[in-house]
Amino acid sequence: DAGVTQSPTHLIKTRGQHVTLRCSPISGHKSVSWYQQVLGQGPQFIFQYYEKEERGRGNFPDRFSARQFPNYSSELNVNALLLGDSALYLCASSPDRGGYTDTQYFGPGTRLTVL
Amino acid sequence: QKEVEQDPGPLSVPEGAIVSLNCTYSNSAFQYFMWYRQYSRKGPELLMYTYSSGNKEDGRFTAQVDKSSKYISLFIRDSQPSDSATYLCAMSAAGGYALNFGKGTSLLVTP
Repeated sequence: DAGVTQSPTHLIKTRGQHVTLRCSPISGHKSVSWYQQVLGQGPQFIFQYYEKEERGRGNFPDRFSARQFPNYSSELNVNALLLGDSALYLCASSPDRGGYTDTQYFGPGTRLTVL
Repeated sequence: QKEVEQDPGPLSVPEGAIVSLNCTYSNSAFQYFMWYRQYSRKGPELLMYTYSSGNKEDGRFTAQVDKSSKYISLFIRDSQPSDSATYLCAMSAAGGYALNFGKGTSLLVTP
């Protein structure tokens, strides 16, 4: 079975631009989460989506938005890019069988560089 | 103070050594504990998943959780050069959806 896939692998943007990152979860997984990992740090939670609804949001500005599609894939959008947005953006999926915290399986990430 | 503390290392050990990696946390609501392995410029790979206190073993890996001390550990027996990576601890509260990560510990196993 294919794992979590993300596209693109790498991306270079300039300050002020907009970016869209894409994620396809493991087949059968209904929940998708997004994390930002700055070099030398652990991943920081941005969003979780379940059944196309935002379930939770981390401490990130409104420039960050996301959505989930009927096939459970997801997009992360970042507007007005800042140098500090340079990071590895990770997508994670979980089966979300309900009732307890399910484990999350991560994709390879999209490395975003903002110049 | 961050909710999850992890010594970033680096930790260097000879091949065959037993490795001990640790995290402490401050949020008593955390009940689910995970260890991920991350190779350079790759996504985290799940190694161990435990609920509440106790031990869990999987091959050369053993995870321990001591909720009374708010302390979790990962032991790697017979370490191999292929174990060289960054090890991230992560945890969440019951019913929670966000994983709270430590900074990661960089491990180097030398032949």
